[in-house]
Amino acid sequence: AQSVTQLDSQVPVFEEAPVELRCNYSSSVSVYLFWYVQYPNQGLQLLLKYLSGSTLVKSINGFEAEFNKSQTSFHLRKPSVHISDTAEYFCAVSLNAGKSTFGDGTTLTVKP
Amino acid sequence: EAQVTQNPRYLITVTGKKLTVTCSQNMNHEYMSWYRQDPGLGLRQIYYSMNVEATDKGDVPEGYKVSRKEKRNFPLILESPSPNQTSLYFCASSPSRGTQSSYEQYFGPGTRLTVT
Repeated sequence: AQSVTQLDSQVPVFEEAPVELRCNYSSSVSVYLFWYVQYPNQGLQLLLKYLSGSTLVKSINGFEAEFNKSQTSFHLRKPSVHISDTAEYFCAVSLNAGKSTFGDGTTLTVKP
Repeated sequence: EAQVTQNPRYLITVTGKKLTVTCSQNMNHEYMSWYRQDPGLGLRQIYYSMNVEATDKGDVPEGYKVSRKEKRNFPLILESPSPNQTSLYFCASSPSRGTQSSYEQYFGPGTRLTVT
């Protein structure tokens, strides 16, 4: 069985401040790790993923996440957030492209 | 344009009246999934399919049926809907390994279902 815990349900930050959204997972086997973002009234879209190789993965819009196997974590970070980053963020794990487990989500609110 | 489409986008129905939500993808993906999203509960997987005629239960399959007769389509069937199935439903598709986008899920726009 696999599970995902997003440690913060809501994260308010001011514009241009750094942010970290925390994600811990549990699995008895190796899994693939993902962060998805959902903007208001939209579907989810992939932000970044870890399948293998370098444990630090980056997105095109400045987010990065680091896979930490010993701590079973995959925290998402951005050094300077923008108003447009306001959204709900979901951490997810998958054994393959089929069975997937999502966290409960973290609402990031960026204030001016 | 590569996309996952769902129909209808909004549906209000009554308890016990059978309904089908359609999902179609044009990316030739092997995997497809259905999720429901409820406030504070994130996304929970209902069913997934590995390919045509191959489906398996997710975490919350009770009260739902699926079929995968064609690679591009993966309908979700509620044979006797109940109010606790009121939710926002998402369909997603994903390529298998061997491509740059391996295991990424591409989501549809969602179907908001209300059962009274």
